[in-house]
Amino acid sequence: GQQVMQIPQYQHVQEGEDFTTYCNSSTTLSNIQWYKQRPGGHPVFLIQLVKSGEVKKQKRLTFQFGEAKKNSSLHITATQTTDVGTYFCAGPRGAQKLVFGQGTRLTINP
Amino acid sequence: DVKVTQSSRYLVKRTGEKVFLECVQDMDHENMFWYRQDPGLGLRLIYFSYDVKMKEKGDIPEGYSVSREKKERFSLILESASTNQTSMYLCASSARTSGVETQYFGPGTRLLVL
Repeated sequence: GQQVMQIPQYQHVQEGEDFTTYCNSSTTLSNIQWYKQRPGGHPVFLIQLVKSGEVKKQKRLTFQFGEAKKNSSLHITATQTTDVGTYFCAGPRGAQKLVFGQGTRLTINP
Repeated sequence: DVKVTQSSRYLVKRTGEKVFLECVQDMDHENMFWYRQDPGLGLRLIYFSYDVKMKEKGDIPEGYSVSREKKERFSLILESASTNQTSMYLCASSARTSGVETQYFGPGTRLLVL
């Protein structure tokens, strides 16, 4: 079945370092979404990408959708302690459901 | 703002008990979901409902059932709880934004089955 693989599973960085998580799909995606889950919290929608090669920015976060629409990345520049959490990518599965990647858990040394 | 609430944040039950997890959303969303979240496994879909009384099995429905008698409420039922059902349970509802179905999650219920 459709799978979305996300790497790495864990990433520990020093505050101020950059961070990137990658998402790869076994099939072409019509769109991809990213969610963030703070420790002890629940996933919260961050952004969606729809177009091939699309790049979107939210302050220090840069989201990319690959040209073939089978991969995506989230890059955080100069991490801060508020960036701690688990980041999930998700692709559509049918008209209404999503398939989530396993998530990348980011921890930061202040 | 969309609000999705779950009946309990933490729950402790004994093996064999029947467990009810309730979820309520206040945005008139048609689609609602139950996931379980386990370390290293991400979010796995248990059941999905696309309308009142309508449901569809997800990837791991065994040992679970659901009920949706009203649009705003989606219940997950563990018929006979087992220790391998100890997990974080997340409810979500979804809406279409700019042509894309976006999910809104409740705070989660951390269930411990002894």
